[in-house]
Amino acid sequence: SQQGEEDPQALSIQEGENATMNCSYKTSINNLQWYRQNSGRGLVHLILIRSNEREKHSGRLRVTLDTSKKSSSLLITASRAADTASYFCATHGSSNTGKLIFGQGTTLQVKP
Amino acid sequence: EAQVTQNPRYLITVTGKKLTVTCSQNMNHEYMSWYRQDPGLGLRQIYYSMNVEVTDKGDVPEGYKVSRKEKRNFPLILESPSPNQTSLYFCASSLSVQGGWANIQYFGAGTRLSVL
Repeated sequence: SQQGEEDPQALSIQEGENATMNCSYKTSINNLQWYRQNSGRGLVHLILIRSNEREKHSGRLRVTLDTSKKSSSLLITASRAADTASYFCATHGSSNTGKLIFGQGTTLQVKP
Repeated sequence: EAQVTQNPRYLITVTGKKLTVTCSQNMNHEYMSWYRQDPGLGLRQIYYSMNVEVTDKGDVPEGYKVSRKEKRNFPLILESPSPNQTSLYFCASSLSVQGGWANIQYFGAGTRLSVL
């Protein structure tokens, strides 16, 4: 099964509300990344958090990482209709293969 | 503009007819990878390459071939496509296999393949 499992699978909110997505993983990591995918398009990198970091911010994005629980969360504040997309977490393990393991994603719908 | 370019974007073919999906990056990245994305299964890695002439299998390599003769190009070859290879395919690249920022992957726009 995928290393990263995301929760919820789908989320629908009103514009202006906050959206929170969670990701759990199974093995030790070097870093964890979040990507965004607009329908049928390529993934775009949003934010990276290293294993020794607990929280990162980028604009309206806030990512937390709890390595003891092997989990991460992505918070999008003051959401906009343009945030409608699928969001994936991806983990980079301790091996040197460069491999990212992607979760199955959370589909976010922001209603205007 | 830094980008990963895949071609074609859409392809409909028939079982057994060999095809190649091209991928090219202009960022001098060492690492390149192919994924397929299927509903309910997320992104699964097909093959990856850590540098020129260095390729290795990912999680779902059966029925696919790749080559890395030049740093910028990483074509995906389906020698005898079958209907179970109908999927959305993505090529991605990153600066290197090291952790941290070098590991961030840049994706192409995708190739939607239908095998009849």
